[in-house]
Amino acid sequence: GENVEQHPSTLSVQEGDSAVIKCTYSDSASNYFPWYKQELGKRPQLIIDIRSNVGEKKDQRIAVTLNKTAKHFSLHITETQPEDSAVYFCAASSGYSTLTFGKGTMLLVSP
Amino acid sequence: GAGVSQTPSNKVTEKGKYVELRCDPISGHTALYWYRQSLGQGPEFLIYFQGTGAADDSGLPNDRFFAVRPEGSVSTLKIQRTERGDSAVYLCASSPASNTEAFFGQGTRLTVV
Repeated sequence: GENVEQHPSTLSVQEGDSAVIKCTYSDSASNYFPWYKQELGKRPQLIIDIRSNVGEKKDQRIAVTLNKTAKHFSLHITETQPEDSAVYFCAASSGYSTLTFGKGTMLLVSP
Repeated sequence: GAGVSQTPSNKVTEKGKYVELRCDPISGHTALYWYRQSLGQGPEFLIYFQGTGAADDSGLPNDRFFAVRPEGSVSTLKIQRTERGDSAVYLCASSPASNTEAFFGQGTRLTVV
């Protein structure tokens, strides 16, 4: 089955800095890669996703890049704000498998 | 419309008891997933329904865990002879089809004492 590794497990940045979270996956058949944000005690919420037919996708301060050859994808947050502080999860799936999640990255943005 | 709804939000049960956790998916969503999330971990897949049938139950840890979705909408996760290690947040998610955005419920926090 699919295995998703996520790094780092914790990330501390100053407000205004950029944050990058990286994930690798094992199943070459995976073609859908969402990122979820989970605030303490709340449900995971999708913030951005990418499919394997594109290499990059942006939505305001958030971007995701995908390297299918290397089987890794990354989340980039620019101009971080304190409200970006949360746990971020990457995930991967194919048409034959359900979403497999990474272990999460706790992002702390200090004012 | 409403999002994914899970009940109860919290459940405390004694070791050895039977529990049922309910999930109401978003109307029209054919795919439904159950995940288990322990503190500090990512959601761990348990079972996936496409319509009424379990398309993938490979994540169920053992035969104490069972889930149904008899009419292709509401799903119930059933845990027999609960153990303290079953304590976790059980998350349900639904999506319009497989391999698309999954919308999560708030989860049921199960505590086995």
